[in-house]
Amino acid sequence: TQLLEQSPQFLSIQEGENLTVYCNSSSVFSSLQWYRQEPGEGPVLLVTVVTGGEVKKLKRLTFQFGDARKDSSLHITAAQPGDTGLYLCAGGLKTSYDKVIFGPGTSLSVIP
Amino acid sequence: DTEVTQTPKHLVMGMTNKKSLKCEQHMGHRAMYWYKQKAKKPPELMFVYSYEKLSINESVPSRFSPECPNSSLLNLHLHALQPEDSALYLCASSQEGLRENYNEQFFGPGTRLTVL
Repeated sequence: TQLLEQSPQFLSIQEGENLTVYCNSSSVFSSLQWYRQEPGEGPVLLVTVVTGGEVKKLKRLTFQFGDARKDSSLHITAAQPGDTGLYLCAGGLKTSYDKVIFGPGTSLSVIP
Repeated sequence: DTEVTQTPKHLVMGMTNKKSLKCEQHMGHRAMYWYKQKAKKPPELMFVYSYEKLSINESVPSRFSPECPNSSLLNLHLHALQPEDSALYLCASSQEGLRENYNEQFFGPGTRLTVL
């Protein structure tokens, strides 16, 4: 059973376009992280959201946590080739602070 | 120092070889993790060490043997692997127990393992 789902799975866009990636679950998470991973490298933490309805901005990236803490979105404005990578959402379970559940990822390609 | 380091970067081994992967962090984090990642897939949790003790083993085959010599080091000993074990092996650490950090994990660059 996939606790976290992401959509779309693959996304190829032109430089300058906007995009939104979604992370959904039927479970409630104590926190949710977004990571970006480039080929052959480890995931890099972008943001953590913990409060329902929370919105965080990181330059051209806007992250939102759903009111019920079951879903999240990542919006990128004016995408650049450097944004290319695998975007992973990961949720923290209240039952274990040691463990996170990863979504399947969204592979983004930004074409110059 | 906010970095997790892993060695080697690449490893090629035969099915009868014994090798070890190494991971090090100097952020004072108390939890360390091993993940396995196949291409275009999310990381799969293998092991978690909390305060140098094994806290989670996700039913990993015994040909993978983790070791945590101290709070900064994490090893993964490999023996009699199969070709399907070829993958990117990632180490991560987190500041366990501090509410404000929640489940944030910091990953190393990974070891690309090929089993022939």
